[in-house]
Amino acid sequence: NAGVTQTPKFQVLKTGQSMTLQCAQDMNHNSMYWYRQDPGMGLRLIYYSASEGTTDKGEVPNGYNVSRLNKREFSLRLESAAPSQTSVYFCASSDPFEQYFGPGTRLTVT
Amino acid sequence: QKEVEQNSGPLSVPEGAIASLNCTYSDRGSQSFFWYRQYSGKSPELIMSIYSNGDKEDGRFTAQLNKASQYVSLLIRDSQPSDSATYLCAVNTRNSGGYQKVTFGTGTKLQVIP
Repeated sequence: NAGVTQTPKFQVLKTGQSMTLQCAQDMNHNSMYWYRQDPGMGLRLIYYSASEGTTDKGEVPNGYNVSRLNKREFSLRLESAAPSQTSVYFCASSDPFEQYFGPGTRLTVT
Repeated sequence: QKEVEQNSGPLSVPEGAIASLNCTYSDRGSQSFFWYRQYSGKSPELIMSIYSNGDKEDGRFTAQLNKASQYVSLLIRDSQPSDSATYLCAVNTRNSGGYQKVTFGTGTKLQVIP
């Protein structure tokens, strides 16, 4: 089992560009999450999906959109990247309580 | 008041000593508690879960929960240099809709000195 996988691992964008971060899990978990982690700020929840077909905003959703494509896949889209979105992005899944994280995507917006 | 608070550290302990990491939380309705280990440049890894008051042991790790005082701790016995990492406390509560919300602390950096 691969657990939670994320692509890409690294990405550099120019301000205003768009991109989609991909996440997939093979643990048959119902819930999936997107976090960002910045120095001194800890993990902050961007969006979550409690089950296939549902998505909800987390603590810092502005500038992001998500799609729960199916039970396995949960993608995060940046429509118009800004330097403030420079961060490390983690996807996680859980069923029901314990969360398991992907390896992360390091995004730099110049 | 932050929902989950941890001392950022660094906490330095000599090899072989006991490392004690602490976490306090604000929501008395919290039901589940987790400790994650995060090595520099890596993702968080779940190492302990605890759901009821008291101690839970797993190898060199012991999680302690005191709901009355609203704190949870992690003890690492016989600390090794490989334990050097940031330890994140996470607390889980259910909202009225049944959705579980997990809030993470900012983490305590542990340094084990050989």
